[in-house]
Amino acid sequence: AQSVTQPDIHITVSEGASLELRCNYSYGATPYLFWYVQSPGQGLQLLLKYFSGDTLVQGIKGFEAEFKRSQSSFNLRKPSVHWSDAAEYFCAVGVRGSQGNLIFGKGTKLSVKP
Amino acid sequence: DVKVTQSSRYLVKRTGEKVFLECVQDMDHENMFWYRQDPGLGLRLIYFSYDVKMKEKGDIPEGYSVSREKKERFSLILESASTNQTSMYLCASSSVNPDTQYFGPGTRLTVL
Repeated sequence: AQSVTQPDIHITVSEGASLELRCNYSYGATPYLFWYVQSPGQGLQLLLKYFSGDTLVQGIKGFEAEFKRSQSSFNLRKPSVHWSDAAEYFCAVGVRGSQGNLIFGKGTKLSVKP
Repeated sequence: DVKVTQSSRYLVKRTGEKVFLECVQDMDHENMFWYRQDPGLGLRLIYFSYDVKMKEKGDIPEGYSVSREKKERFSLILESASTNQTSMYLCASSSVNPDTQYFGPGTRLTVL
């Protein structure tokens, strides 16, 4: 069965430091991959997505992610974190032929130290 | 911009009450979804719909039903609310399969 693992439940970084959030998936074919962000009390907002082509994907708010087929990973990165990036981040996998369903990881909560 | 709206941001109900959560999207999307979100459990799919009057069970449909009479509107119904249904409920919509799901702001439901 398809699954998504976000190994880190909670990460704390200092403002200005770099960030990498990990995401590993289990799926037999090339998946569609997404990163969403959720601010407290809000819905989820799309940061970026990968469907095909260039494996390095640029998103909003200065985020990028790299699809690595050999490692079944789609890690999210940002070179310099801002205090406003504090939120919860969800990785998701889209499965072909699934009528639009996405499988979500359990999320990584990011805290930012001043 | 795609807009998904949910009828309430916060809702407090009593055990045994019938509860309706409504979701409306304005982008003519075929697919609509209802999730519940609980700390440490992530998002869990309750029901989804890929067309008017069509519905499919997700991972945790027990205790819930849905209705989709119009393409833009997808309702989640708790027939007899229980305290273990206290949660954040998120609605989403998308067009082709699979594609970006666009989320509403969520409804935080408390059942007393």
